[in-house]
Amino acid sequence: QITLRESGPTLVKPTQTLTLTCTFSGFSLNTGGAAVGWIRQSPGKGLEWLALIYWDDDERYSPSLRNRLTITKDASENRVVLSMTDVRPVDTGTYYCAHLLWNVDADAFDIWGPGTMVTVSS
Amino acid sequence: SSELTQDPAVSVALGQTVRITCQGDSVENFYANWYQQKPGQAPLLVIYGKNNRPSGIPDRFSGSISGNTASLTITGAQAEDEADYYCNSRDTSGNRVFGGGTALTVL
Repeated sequence: QITLRESGPTLVKPTQTLTLTCTFSGFSLNTGGAAVGWIRQSPGKGLEWLALIYWDDDERYSPSLRNRLTITKDASENRVVLSMTDVRPVDTGTYYCAHLLWNVDADAFDIWGPGTMVTVSS
Repeated sequence: SSELTQDPAVSVALGQTVRITCQGDSVENFYANWYQQKPGQAPLLVIYGKNNRPSGIPDRFSGSISGNTASLTITGAQAEDEADYYCNSRDTSGNRVFGGGTALTVL
């Protein structure tokens, strides 16, 4: 059974760096085909894909945010970390990590963490 | 463009059939996935790929694609299907994208 859980600060000041951790179980990022993504949702708004990291360290970033985002993995600890620099109030929202179901028939975020709410405010 | 366009809101009478659409170039080249999100909850994958349902998703949910438009069809909508629905796909660079979401009301 795959599970994921996000953790990190609930309040961050503008211009600071936000660091979020996704801790997962039920799969390994050492296994070919495995990947974890980050998605966020501003209050009352839609889903926005942020970043994705594969078992082979390949990384993908939202074009609009790529200069502020870094995604890394620690496969031995079953963790994926997302860093976002220079946060602003518009970055306030719920941040989700999700397992990517990725094979010849699928390319979808099949299991999601419960999300963690982050507020950017001075 | 990798943008995905959805109607902001759709309504359906209880027990009737509703189709929610998602339009974009990505859909034509890569399959679309569909997620259901209820207030205060994380999104739930309901359809992925050509027309696959994860375990536990009722068979009243189905997906289809025609050209650059993907559709999620709920046949015999139930009160518990009232939720926001998001489509998702990818582009040729491997970037993922979500549609703006459709709020479904079951009357």
